[in-house]
Amino acid sequence: GAVVSQHPSRVICKSGTSVKIECRSLDFQATTMFWYRQFPKKSLMLMATSNEGSKATYEQGVEKDKFLINHASLTLSTLTVTSAHPEDSSFYICSARPRPTGVSNSNQPQHFGDGTRLSIL
Amino acid sequence: KNQVEQSPQSLIILEGKNCTLQCNYTVSPFSNLRWYKQDTGRGPVSLTIMTFSENTKSNGRYTATLDADTKQSSLHITASQLSDSASYICVVSAILTGGGNKLTFGTGTQLKVEL
Repeated sequence: GAVVSQHPSRVICKSGTSVKIECRSLDFQATTMFWYRQFPKKSLMLMATSNEGSKATYEQGVEKDKFLINHASLTLSTLTVTSAHPEDSSFYICSARPRPTGVSNSNQPQHFGDGTRLSIL
Repeated sequence: KNQVEQSPQSLIILEGKNCTLQCNYTVSPFSNLRWYKQDTGRGPVSLTIMTFSENTKSNGRYTATLDADTKQSSLHITASQLSDSASYICVVSAILTGGGNKLTFGTGTQLKVEL
């Protein structure tokens, strides 16, 4: 089945550090990737939608200068948390939607990565 | 406002028993509904997907139902196993004007299966 690889799986770093998280679709091309944030025992919250070759679309309340997204190819999107602070500590999950193959894109599944546990000291 | 509510919030059952998880939604226009299983510290994995015209969908010991009229769905787990312990998330997809779709996530049901 479709596999999405997210790296690193866990990051612990000092306040003020910038952290980059990678999301790769391993066996399919993804024109759209999504970045989510999840707090303990809470649902996934969409942060931004990343489209290959264009600027990401951020959800209301998400600082685009804080969370930089780059979707440079059909298999890779990156999320950079700039000047991270303890309140940025969270579980970040990416997902990728395969490129449409002639069927309705609305039923194309999102394949999720295994998440990145970010801890800012 | 699109919302997805799940119940119960958490559930503990004995191994081998069956259980049913509920999902109520107010998402429109409706495109599809998925149930995901999320193990602790992992990303969600899709179990089932149902569109408007589908009432039941099975995947092994998992059976999902959908009542599009009442906007309710359930996930039934048969003969539970310890490995079923996870969070089960109901995700409803809405069709966006101009194309594409937007997902609304439920808060999940935390299931624990014990010996």
